Amino acid sequence: AQSVTQPDIHITVSEGASLELRCNYSYGATPYLFWYVQSPGQGLQLLLKYFSGDTLVQGIKGFEAEFKRSQSSFNLRKPSVHWSDAAEYFCAAVDTGRRALTFGSGTRLQVQP
Amino acid sequence: DSGVTQTPKHLITATGQRVTLRCSPRSGDLSVYWYQQSLDQGLQFLIQYYNGEERAKGNILERFSAQQFPDLHSELNLSSLELGDSALYFCASSVESNNYNEQFFGPGTRLTVL
Repeated sequence: AQSVTQPDIHITVSEGASLELRCNYSYGATPYLFWYVQSPGQGLQLLLKYFSGDTLVQGIKGFEAEFKRSQSSFNLRKPSVHWSDAAEYFCAAVDTGRRALTFGSGTRLQVQP
Repeated sequence: DSGVTQTPKHLITATGQRVTLRCSPRSGDLSVYWYQQSLDQGLQFLIQYYNGEERAKGNILERFSAQQFPDLHSELNLSSLELGDSALYFCASSVESNNYNEQFFGPGTRLTVL
């Protein structure tokens, strides 16, 4: 079955430190890949997406993600975390030709001062 | 602000009851998606409507139904509610074309079943 896995339920980093959130997918063919952020009481906001081409994609708020086909991964990174980045982050995928998103279980990011 | 609106923001009801959640898509978007976010199931796709027609179905229970009206707003109807239906219900909308289009999410309706 198609699935998206986020191995880390909860991550704590210090403000100013770098961040990497892991995401692995299991699909027959490479799906479209996304990272969303959910702040408390808010809906989901798209950070970045990968359809094809350059495997390093830039998103909003200083985030980037790298697609690695050999590892079936799409990890999210940020060089320097800000306190306002504390939120829950979801990796998602959709089969090409389909529309509904399949989400990972999410990673909650806590930022220490 | 994504441009997608959902009402109500919060809903508290009892087991066995029926509720209706409403979603207004962004102006110009023809597709509406419903997702459920619960503690045990995570975020999962329920159903998609496109221009008034059901387009795709996910893990939607038979007790749940949806529709999309001519003005493109959508309603999700949940009946015979159980404790396990307590969740955050999101609506998302997209333009929809032959290519994949970004889905814009509303703020959600938090349903609590007591």
